[in-house]
Amino acid sequence: KNEVEQSPQNLTAQEGEFITINCSYSVGISALHWLQQHPGGGIVSLFMLSSGKKKHGRLIATINIQEKHSSLHITASHPRDSAVYICAVSSNTGTASKLTFGTGTRLQVTL
Amino acid sequence: DVKVTQSSRYLVKRTGEKVFLECVQDMDHENMFWYRQDPGLGLRLIYFSYDVKMKEKGDIPEGYSVSREKKERFSLILESASTNQTSMYLCASSLGWGRGTDTQYFGPGTRLTVL
Repeated sequence: KNEVEQSPQNLTAQEGEFITINCSYSVGISALHWLQQHPGGGIVSLFMLSSGKKKHGRLIATINIQEKHSSLHITASHPRDSAVYICAVSSNTGTASKLTFGTGTRLQVTL
Repeated sequence: DVKVTQSSRYLVKRTGEKVFLECVQDMDHENMFWYRQDPGLGLRLIYFSYDVKMKEKGDIPEGYSVSREKKERFSLILESASTNQTSMYLCASSLGWGRGTDTQYFGPGTRLTVL
């Protein structure tokens, strides 16, 4: 079993729909990250959170530390939101903070 | 803005060749990382470096080595490329231990094909 599990693996939505991507983890963490990867490869960090909720524009990320679960929500989805969304957890090794990644959720938003 | 650059976007090499992948960051970050990304497996850590000349193995170091002679530059070396090293390689950097954030900033990736 992977340390970081995401669901669903693939998601197709129509423009305007509310989208939820889920992430569960099984290890102790210092923070949880949501990342976005567009076709072509570049990865950008969307959120880093260790408790509660963060919002940036139409994106909302929540985390429940007790349940070891996080969700990424996209409100009023748009075709430009089409990308792979990756959940990752960070743990401290003593020399650096390392990330362990989920396998990603591929989102396609259609008109 | 942090900028992480990688020397090539696409690379084709032959089995047995020595391959160098270069990564440069311009924000004085302490930590640098090399990952490979494969379908269905996600990103996996090959090596990371927390200081000049300091390195640690990640989850899949076999067949790879790294070099960090200058703070801004982190090189990944495939000593003798094999077809199972065909993959997308991503470099990342972060501020460093105890410096307030472990957000990683990624380069654009190098898609390596070994024939």
